[in-house]
Amino acid sequence: QKEVEQNSGPLSVPEGAIASLNCTYSDRGSQSFFWYRQYSGKSPELIMFIYSNGDKEDGRFTAQLNKASQYVSLLIRDSQPSDSATYLCAVNGEDSNYQLIWGAGTKLIIKP
Amino acid sequence: NAGVTQTPKFRILKIGQSMTLQCTQDMNHNYMYWYRQDPGMGLKLIYYSVGAGITDKGEVPNGYNVSRSTTEDFPLRLELAAPSQTSVYFCASSQGGGQPQHFGDGTRLSIL
Repeated sequence: QKEVEQNSGPLSVPEGAIASLNCTYSDRGSQSFFWYRQYSGKSPELIMFIYSNGDKEDGRFTAQLNKASQYVSLLIRDSQPSDSATYLCAVNGEDSNYQLIWGAGTKLIIKP
Repeated sequence: NAGVTQTPKFRILKIGQSMTLQCTQDMNHNYMYWYRQDPGMGLKLIYYSVGAGITDKGEVPNGYNVSRSTTEDFPLRLELAAPSQTSVYFCASSQGGGQPQHFGDGTRLSIL
């Protein structure tokens, strides 16, 4: 059973600090990794995707991928109250490139 | 710039009724997906399609049916609605299996 694991939280971070969200995956052959943000009552929204080992930066967001250790992280710098949401990690499966394997999400709360 | 459009946004059904959830996308994506998300839980794949005329089961297909006669449309049919099908349903599309998925706004369905 291929799995994507995330800490359900809630993760509470002071405004202006760095929020660090982590995700581990079981399928060593996974090639594509995605972070989605989901506000309460809304649909998932793509924030970042990463395909190669290392870091990928986009504004205040940085995705970090370590294939050897099978984890992917999302860092949010200068956290804002508007970043409060549930963050979903998704990974493609090696033997089923049609589907993504989804984590259950980490609830992030940014405290003013 | 519509993206993925789902209708209706809300619906209440009685046990045993049937209905079709509509999903259409204007991005010319070959891959389309139906998910359900129960309160506080992650996404569960119901059905997916890799092109017109091709559909396959996901993790939780029982009680649902799909069809894909065109690239744009991917309706989800509920037959004999049951209280366990109360959920939020999301349709998504992507260019390919390892590519980001783009979500519609969702349909909130209650079975009473």
